[in-house]
Amino acid sequence: EIVLTQSPGTLSLSPGERATLSCRASQSVRSTYLAWYQQKPGQTPRLLIYGASSRATGIPDRFSGSGSGTDFTLTISRLQPEDFAVYYCQLYGSSPLTFGGGTKVEIK
Amino acid sequence: EVQLVQSGAEVKKPGESLKISCKGSGYSFTSYWIGWVRQMPGKGLEWMGIIYPGDSDSRYSPSFQGQVTISADKSISTAYLQWSSLKASDTAMYYCVRHSEVGDSLSHFDYWGQGTLVTVPS
Repeated sequence: EIVLTQSPGTLSLSPGERATLSCRASQSVRSTYLAWYQQKPGQTPRLLIYGASSRATGIPDRFSGSGSGTDFTLTISRLQPEDFAVYYCQLYGSSPLTFGGGTKVEIK
Repeated sequence: EVQLVQSGAEVKKPGESLKISCKGSGYSFTSYWIGWVRQMPGKGLEWMGIIYPGDSDSRYSPSFQGQVTISADKSISTAYLQWSSLKASDTAMYYCVRHSEVGDSLSHFDYWGQGTLVTVPS
């Protein structure tokens, strides 16, 4: 089973700053099978990115995904107040589907 | 509009049984796999298992195999997650999810239910 490790655990930033979140796989994965989800406090997770770099419907272009092999990145170009949340990466395409432990983006 | 609507919060005693539901609408319920995801208090997301409502083929994460049962009734577009004997450690929020690709059990999740909070006091 591939393990996904997200870092940092918590990212403290100010609105307008750039956020860079990392997701590392324990072994090389097919880049088309990596997704990112956002979960705001008390809310249901929602899909942001799939296929490592494709934005889901309705997701602003300040969110971008990149990476391949074992290292993947979610970048938020300019943080908006509504972006402070927990972000999870997910590996799909093989069973079991696995999630990373999450990165919390908090207001500095 | 695609919607997954889950049953309401439950408070149960250890040893009791429970079945929670997830009703799909706005799409062909029998064509997409439905999954279940656990989120324990203050923790991350864990994939539990999936079902294909078209033929009730189900698969489980090794971590949850034998601990829960996933089923579906395609006549009413509803999937279920059930426990035969709850434990305090089953206290969590449970989400149903729709897999994004027709007939693909390993695709990402494009729609989420609102969650069902299950509380089992110790």
